Amino acid sequence: DARVTQTPRHKVTEMGQEVTMRCQPILGHNTVFWYRQTMMQGLELLAYFRNRAPLDDSGMPKDRFSAEMPDATLATLKIQPSEPRDSAVYFCASGRAAWEQYFGPGTRLTVT
Amino acid sequence: QKEVEQNSGPLSVPEGAIASLNCTYSDRGSQSFFWYRQYSGKSPELIMSIYSNGDKEDGRFTAQVDKSSKYISLFIRDSQPSDSATYLCAVMVRSFKTIFGAGTRLFVKA
Repeated sequence: DARVTQTPRHKVTEMGQEVTMRCQPILGHNTVFWYRQTMMQGLELLAYFRNRAPLDDSGMPKDRFSAEMPDATLATLKIQPSEPRDSAVYFCASGRAAWEQYFGPGTRLTVT
Repeated sequence: QKEVEQNSGPLSVPEGAIASLNCTYSDRGSQSFFWYRQYSGKSPELIMSIYSNGDKEDGRFTAQVDKSSKYISLFIRDSQPSDSATYLCAVMVRSFKTIFGAGTRLFVKA
């Protein structure tokens, strides 16, 4: 049963620290999405990639967030420096097309 | 105005009843519509996708799209306590970009 994996599952860090979240998409999926979910804002699209190329990252705060796909099996989302308002659950999703999104279990980030 | 509006609920229905969920969207050019289910503490899971005006049925679930009024609905027949979750509607507003509603919490009482 193929699944999207995300690490770490939980992360607690202090304000100002760098946070790196990792995602392994399902083998064969060429589209990867990063979302952030909070109670106030709901599920927000941060960035998405197709064939490892970033197609849209307009949802990301550019000054502190960055997303990359070093290879087809790894997507990363980095926050530097982190702030308390970044506390949220970050989901990665992958698919074979834009209309198909299988979500990973998420990384719960707490910035104190 | 948000691109996808959805009542947060909670919506409470008795077991065996029909649960009716809906949302509205603003981009008239939207072509693809989705319903996701999210259990507490879990990730969203796609349950229905619909790409044209009208109805689509899958088991106990029926999705409806009315593009003239920009209105999307999900009906769950014979609701079960296991259907208790948050239901997110989602709209693909342009190629690859999907906007999610805030989600409606559904409680099915046994």
